[in-house]
Amino acid sequence: EDQVTQSPEALRLQEGESSSLNCSYTVSGLRGLFWYRQDPGKGPEFLFTLYSAGEEKEKERLKATLTKKESFLHITAPKPEDSATYLCAVQASSNDYKLSFGAGTTVTVRA
Amino acid sequence: DTAVSQTPKYLVTQMGNDKSIKCEQNLGHDTMYWYKQDSKKFLKIMFSYNNKELIINETVPNRFSPKSPDKAHLNLHINSLELGDSAVYFCASSQDRTRGAFFGQGTRLTVV
Repeated sequence: EDQVTQSPEALRLQEGESSSLNCSYTVSGLRGLFWYRQDPGKGPEFLFTLYSAGEEKEKERLKATLTKKESFLHITAPKPEDSATYLCAVQASSNDYKLSFGAGTTVTVRA
Repeated sequence: DTAVSQTPKYLVTQMGNDKSIKCEQNLGHDTMYWYKQDSKKFLKIMFSYNNKELIINETVPNRFSPKSPDKAHLNLHINSLELGDSAVYFCASSQDRTRGAFFGQGTRLTVV
């Protein structure tokens, strides 16, 4: 069964203090690794898909990277509006009709 | 216009009741999903539909019955509600399954 583990569970940052979130995964044949952002009381919002080791994607202050065993989401010089729960999910080549999610990392950025 | 909309947003009901959650997407996507998010924020797939056909039923009790009247709608009917069914239920849709899914705002179901 596909497994996704995210760490840390919670992260408190000062505005401007860069940091990284980790997503380690086990899947038999990775089709894609997804990052989502979820704000309280809302549905997850798609951020990135990574398909192969070595790939990187960027969006504003966020940068996602992928290796064969894990993915990192780097937050550079975060602002309070970056506060959210960040979810990682994997999609297996054998079954691309489902995403297997990790439990998320809740990021709080203080001004 | 909301891309994936669910109704109702909140649902409080008693054990043993039957309830439905409706989902509509206006993105023209072929694939729709139901996910359940428990109190620990863990999102888990329940059902996937492609062109109105059931593709995945992820060991969900048969008290849960999805229905897709057309490609734009995927409703979830739940019979004989139990306390453990309390959670947030998310509908989602995608066109290209490798490019991520769009999620609705969720339905918070509380069974008392």
